[in-house]
Amino acid sequence: AQKVTQAQTEISVVEKEDVTLDCVYETRDTTYYLFWYKQPPSGELVFLIRRNSFDEQNEISGRYSWNFQKSTSSFNFTITASQVVDSAVYFCALSEARTGFQKLVFGTGTRLLVSP
Amino acid sequence: GAVVSQHPSRVICKSGTSVKIECRSLDFQATTMFWYRQFPKQSLMLMATSNEGSKATYEQGVEKDKFLINHASLTLSTLTVTSAHPEDSSFYICRAPGNNGYTFGSGTRLTVV
Repeated sequence: AQKVTQAQTEISVVEKEDVTLDCVYETRDTTYYLFWYKQPPSGELVFLIRRNSFDEQNEISGRYSWNFQKSTSSFNFTITASQVVDSAVYFCALSEARTGFQKLVFGTGTRLLVSP
Repeated sequence: GAVVSQHPSRVICKSGTSVKIECRSLDFQATTMFWYRQFPKQSLMLMATSNEGSKATYEQGVEKDKFLINHASLTLSTLTVTSAHPEDSSFYICRAPGNNGYTFGSGTRLTVV
């Protein structure tokens, strides 16, 4: 069965600190996609990244970076030099080939609070 | 890119009334729509999947008679919360199929008083 675990329920940092949000997933499929979303207080889901299971290259986008490691079934997200605007709930999610990549299973989310 | 328009964004209703939430695919056709519910400070849980031209598929534990889902056309899916009660207060969000990760509606915050 597919499962996504985000063990950190809430993280508080001070502006300019680096912060890593952890995501561990479970799947029996060899082909799957992993996602990260940001949910600000307004509620909408902001897509951050999609990574397929065959691409273990780390990715960097501005202050954001992602570390995908199949050996540990982890897809961690790091924000460098955090800013107050980064305060939000972040969700990791998984979709599998056996569902045609249609079903998206979310982790429980990590609430990030960045204070000035 | 694909855009899903969801409305209303917020609704407050009295107990016992029904509320309809609409999701429209604006520039593409969606034969399927996924409906999620998110209680405060919790994750998004899949409630049901609407299918154009056929019955919706509900996840275990979701009351079909309470959450009526209709997929009237290739561009419109609706979720009606019938006889709403305070415990139905939640954030409801739809998603059109596709593995690009983008196609979520903007969500509806329902408050039942």
